[in-house]
Amino acid sequence: GQSLEQPSEVTAVEGAIVQINCTYQTSGFYGLSWYQQHDGGAPTFLSYNALDGLEETGRFSSFLSRSDSYGYLLLQELQMKDSASYFCAVRDALTGGGNKLTFGTGTQLKVEL
Amino acid sequence: ETGVTQTPRHLVMGMTNKKSLKCEQHLGHNAMYWYKQSAKKPLELMFVYNFKEQTENNSVPSRFSPECPNSSHLFLHLHTLQPEDSALYLCASSQLGDRRYEQYFGPGTRLTVT
Repeated sequence: GQSLEQPSEVTAVEGAIVQINCTYQTSGFYGLSWYQQHDGGAPTFLSYNALDGLEETGRFSSFLSRSDSYGYLLLQELQMKDSASYFCAVRDALTGGGNKLTFGTGTQLKVEL
Repeated sequence: ETGVTQTPRHLVMGMTNKKSLKCEQHLGHNAMYWYKQSAKKPLELMFVYNFKEQTENNSVPSRFSPECPNSSHLFLHLHTLQPEDSALYLCASSQLGDRRYEQYFGPGTRLTVT
């Protein structure tokens, strides 16, 4: 089966650093993505890791360890607008062509003053 | 605005009704997806279309019927739904060959089955 585990909630203060972990057990794996979703909004893409290591994009970084089936999203210099749900998602290839994403249950991040 | 639009944004239907959800992408992508998002559950992939051909049906009940007439449009036809089908239905698109495998999501249709 497919399973992705994330903490359900994380709370942090403005200006802090927070790490959201994701562990996965999936039958196929080509890469790990992260998406952000504000209440009432659509998920938006943050990052993608296919290889082990750290990818940095501004205040957000994402890490992958394929041998540990583990990844994390690191958010620095937290701002109030970062309050949202964050989803990790495993990419797998489809035999008929194309790709599919299997999403985790999401982590609700609350940023406080 | 992500370049993916969905209509209607909200829909209330009875269990015996037939309705359709529409998705349109203005990004020139060649893959489109339907997802279901229920409260406190992960996004569930329902269908995948590449170049208008269905390449994935994730064990979705037959009361959900997708249609992809061209690479820009995707429909989800609904009939004899159950109350547990109430959820947010999200459409997404992507470009095959994109090295980040980024999917662009529409705002969703909030469906309530009474």
